[in-house]
Amino acid sequence: DADVTQTPRNRITKTGKRIMLECSQTKGHDRMYWYRQDPGLGLRLIYYSFDVKDINKGEISDGYSVSRQAQAKFSLSLESAIPNQTALYFCATSDSPGTRSASHYNEQFFGPGTRLTVL
Amino acid sequence: GQQLNQSPQSMFIQEGEDVSMNCTSSSIFNTWLWYKQDPGEGPVLLIALYKAGELTSNGRLTAQFGITRKDSFLNISASIPSDVGIYFCAGRLSGGSNYKLTFGKGTLLTVNP
Repeated sequence: DADVTQTPRNRITKTGKRIMLECSQTKGHDRMYWYRQDPGLGLRLIYYSFDVKDINKGEISDGYSVSRQAQAKFSLSLESAIPNQTALYFCATSDSPGTRSASHYNEQFFGPGTRLTVL
Repeated sequence: GQQLNQSPQSMFIQEGEDVSMNCTSSSIFNTWLWYKQDPGEGPVLLIALYKAGELTSNGRLTAQFGITRKDSFLNISASIPSDVGIYFCAGRLSGGSNYKLTFGKGTLLTVNP
């Protein structure tokens, strides 16, 4: 079973609709992230959370909101979707520094992504 | 803000050839990471580098952390068709912001059997 899962994997919606993308993980990591990927632009951070009571904006948070419902769950919402939010969305998780295994110094592990199209 | 220049943007090679790609930064990083993204999947960590000058291998992949801390390269030897994908570099400063990764724009690799 996958350690980081995202639902849905694909979604087509219309301008103005509210959309929620969900992420869940079985890795037991404290930290969770949402990224957006556009062709030729790499990955850009939208929001991140270091624990259940912690939410922080990333580089491109406008038009998005998040909810950390539990350690294992982190959802991303588009309150009123617009066409330029068409992109691939990735959730990622990591351990807090100094915890658990020293392997790879608690680097980020990514989910399989959600392809969102806003018409 | 920090910017990463990754080159080349794309490569089309024959199976068996060696590949080299690199990233340069406008500022110093303390960690360099290399990820690979297969079509329809999320990025997977290939190699992590934590010391300037460090040279690390993972099978046919070798990556180096530049002495200036502003660059890194990834080499793939004897390429095979399953090497196809997008390769991303990412840099991170340590300290209080030790979560934040800055990503390059990716190198699209195509391997012709």
